[in-house]
Amino acid sequence: GAGVSQSPSNKVTEKGKDVELRCDPISGHTALYWYRQRLGQGLEFLIYFQGNSAPDKSGLPSDRFSAERTGESVSTLTIQRTQQEDSAVYLCASKLGQGAKGTEAFFGQGTRLTVV
Amino acid sequence: QKEVEQDPGPLSVPEGAIVSLNCTYSNSAFQYFMWYRQYSRKGPELLMYTYSSGNKEDGRFTAQVDKSSKYISLFIRDSQPSDSATYLCAMSAGNFNKFYFGSGTKLNVKP
Repeated sequence: GAGVSQSPSNKVTEKGKDVELRCDPISGHTALYWYRQRLGQGLEFLIYFQGNSAPDKSGLPSDRFSAERTGESVSTLTIQRTQQEDSAVYLCASKLGQGAKGTEAFFGQGTRLTVV
Repeated sequence: QKEVEQDPGPLSVPEGAIVSLNCTYSNSAFQYFMWYRQYSRKGPELLMYTYSSGNKEDGRFTAQVDKSSKYISLFIRDSQPSDSATYLCAMSAGNFNKFYFGSGTKLNVKP
């Protein structure tokens, strides 16, 4: 596709349930990032993938959060036993290469997660 | 202390005004500086990118970086109602393992 695609666009889930969020990066982009944006706030880093490896997962807030990437393409962010404080927009971005190669990071539209 | 500080606004200006948006940061390792525009319920889109100190101009937009003061700015000339959005500054060290974002400034340009 032409841009970064995220699904679902909206997700409402009950507290305690698990959710999976999907990101399809731009084809050929080896770097992939997940960010969280709470209402009215800036972007909070969660995890960075280079290829299928995650050299920086320092932003994952707890062990309820995990992410994987396969085929140097699709990534899924999984939140187990969701809590109300997990409600936010989850944004995915991809970038052409490692380091300064292809500096621009393109963002998807995000998945708006609401935990009730 | 946050690594990147940005005044959340909101900033309201009349159409045609010059807008100045600013961020300060604390990490001297940052080398790449970006400004993103985010419309409501949309993902951020990159407006400007600058490496190290200096100015960069693109149409009505000018980005300035002063590394000695750890201060970056985005100027918008002849502002238009379509510029109404939230503007996020972002920065990264050379490895690009992560981008550090400000909290965003909400701009409203009144017709």
